[in-house]
Amino acid sequence: AQSVSQHNHHVILSEAASLELGCNYSYGGTVNLFWYVQYPGQHLQLLLKYFSGDPLVKGIKGFEAEFIKSKFSFNLRKPSVQWSDTAEYFCAVSDSGNTGKLIFGQGTTLQVKP
Amino acid sequence: GAVVSQHPSWVICKSGTSVKIECRSLDFQATTMFWYRQFPKQSLMLMATSNEGSKATYEQGVEKDKFLINHASLTLSTLTVTSAHPEDSSFYICSATTPLGTYEQYFGPGTRLTVT
Repeated sequence: AQSVSQHNHHVILSEAASLELGCNYSYGGTVNLFWYVQYPGQHLQLLLKYFSGDPLVKGIKGFEAEFIKSKFSFNLRKPSVQWSDTAEYFCAVSDSGNTGKLIFGQGTTLQVKP
Repeated sequence: GAVVSQHPSWVICKSGTSVKIECRSLDFQATTMFWYRQFPKQSLMLMATSNEGSKATYEQGVEKDKFLINHASLTLSTLTVTSAHPEDSSFYICSATTPLGTYEQYFGPGTRLTVT
């Protein structure tokens, strides 16, 4: 069965610090990878996604993620965080079949101090 | 575009009663809708996949007789928690995908259910 693991449960950073959130998945086949963000009191929003092609994908709000197939990883990065990036971040994976089912990681709470 | 709404946003019910939660795609037709459950400070757990006009597919461990899902139209799916108990208290979130096949899910704002 597929699973997703996010290594950092709670991250505290100061503004302008660089961010990297780890995500590893276990699945032997072809996968689609996603990062979602949930701002306080809001619904989940898509940050970025990887289906195929360039393993370095760029998303909204300056976020990017790199798919490293050999490491089964899809880490999220941002060079300089802002206070407004304070949120819960979820990595998710779906198989490349047509079900569209998502398996989510445990989530990482990011707190950015002004 | 691609807005998903849920109603109600918050509901309190007594143990033993049933509660219906609606999930609507407001500006697109959703061939597939998903229902998730999220416990405090935890991730989303997929409960079931709902396709318009057919029976829902439940994940292992989810009681289909307790969590009734109906997807009667391309814009509406409902989740009914039957004979609710305090342990069913949780945050229920739905999502929807478009027929475009991009597998991107659009999430509703969630419904907080409290069973007393």
